[in-house]
Amino acid sequence: DMKVTQMPRYLIKRMGENVLLECGQDMSHETMYWYRQDPGLGLQLIYISYDVDSNSEGDIPKGYRVSRKKREHFSLILDSAKTNQTSVYFCASSLSIGTVSSYEQYFGPGTRLTVL
Amino acid sequence: GDSVTQTEGQVALSEEDFLTIHCNYSASGYPALFWYVQYPGEGPQFLFRASRDKEKGSSRGFEATYDKGTTSFHLRKASVQESDSAVYYCALGDRGSALGRLHFGAGTQLIVIP
Repeated sequence: DMKVTQMPRYLIKRMGENVLLECGQDMSHETMYWYRQDPGLGLQLIYISYDVDSNSEGDIPKGYRVSRKKREHFSLILDSAKTNQTSVYFCASSLSIGTVSSYEQYFGPGTRLTVL
Repeated sequence: GDSVTQTEGQVALSEEDFLTIHCNYSASGYPALFWYVQYPGEGPQFLFRASRDKEKGSSRGFEATYDKGTTSFHLRKASVQESDSAVYYCALGDRGSALGRLHFGAGTQLIVIP
């Protein structure tokens, strides 16, 4: 069963604390993504990773960093979280770089992060 | 840069009504166009795509036709059901990127009243 998992599903942190969001996929997909979703803004791309230790900034990378040490695992890190980083974060993965199939992304269930 | 515009933030219909959700895009050439659906408490999931002018994509009774002339990819369904209540995202594949980058619209929440 093809799946993208995210942990934790819900997280409450205080401003200034560090945050680690984790994502895993069991499909051997090369490309993985982190998005945030806010009302009225849709899905905004934070980072893309096209393989281990090969990451590229998306549209809103400021305040975030990522880590990919294994193909099946992709982490999003917030160093010193801010209240405006309260959001729902989605991880996704896709296969077949360079073809139209690479746009067919499989999403995880999301992590709802609240920064107080 | 490339972008997608969904004009309706929310659409409320009764069961068996006809659905149209408007999607217009701005990009050069012939970008691939997509519809994704997000049910409550879940992540978005791929619905279907179209890659060239006049191509029709379809899935689960939903359909959309790629129209280069009007730069549109409107989502339609002949008869909606309560189970279709969800958020629908139109998306455009970035042709300048080999990494499968998608540009999403803001989303349209569909509420179907039984």
